[in-house]
Amino acid sequence: GAGVSQSPSNKVTEKGKDVELRCDPISGHTALYWYRQSLGQGLEFLIYFQGNSAPDKSGLPSDRFSAERTGGSVSTLTIQRTQQEDSAVYLCASSPWGTGRQSYEQYFGPGTRLTVT
Amino acid sequence: QKEVEQNSGPLSVPEGAIASLNCTYSDRGSQSFFWYRQYSGKSPELIMSIYSNGDKEDGRFTAQLNKASQYVSLLIRDSQPSDSATYLCAVKGSGSQGNLIFGKGTKLSVKP
Repeated sequence: GAGVSQSPSNKVTEKGKDVELRCDPISGHTALYWYRQSLGQGLEFLIYFQGNSAPDKSGLPSDRFSAERTGGSVSTLTIQRTQQEDSAVYLCASSPWGTGRQSYEQYFGPGTRLTVT
Repeated sequence: QKEVEQNSGPLSVPEGAIASLNCTYSDRGSQSFFWYRQYSGKSPELIMSIYSNGDKEDGRFTAQLNKASQYVSLLIRDSQPSDSATYLCAVKGSGSQGNLIFGKGTKLSVKP
């Protein structure tokens, strides 16, 4: 079946502009996660959604970052007033959730490479 | 602060050898452990998950878990140049949060 899709694959923006990144999870997966990976660094957790529960926003680095998930499926990560330090690859993942241990297995999309000039 | 530690490498092994990748974690209550492979310029790909102490084998890959020592490892037998990638260890913490905590990864290079 189709995997996680993300768009755009690349985004170049000027400092101070707002950007929106989109994620379409695997069909039937109820949990959706956003991570950020800076060059040569590990994955940094940003936010996750599980079903209709309130999202866990504990990883968002500042109030310039926000995310929403519509209809329990597609998610949009918005970065307002972008800064150069926001340059990174933004990765989205989804998992089936549920009661089994496999529910935590996360599958990643191809990522969006954001460059702030 | 829950942490996952990996040797950054690079780990260089000759083709056909066994590559051994190690990971330690700080949250003693963790129950779910994962290994991801990430090729340069690509996103992480799940290759192994392990939940119980002991070994779990899948083809050339064996994951090993020792909860008492808070240690997870990945063995790659008969290493191939196509195994050259960064391997990320990820741990689901003991809390209700669903996100995984990732190590920074070990870069593996398999030399022909």
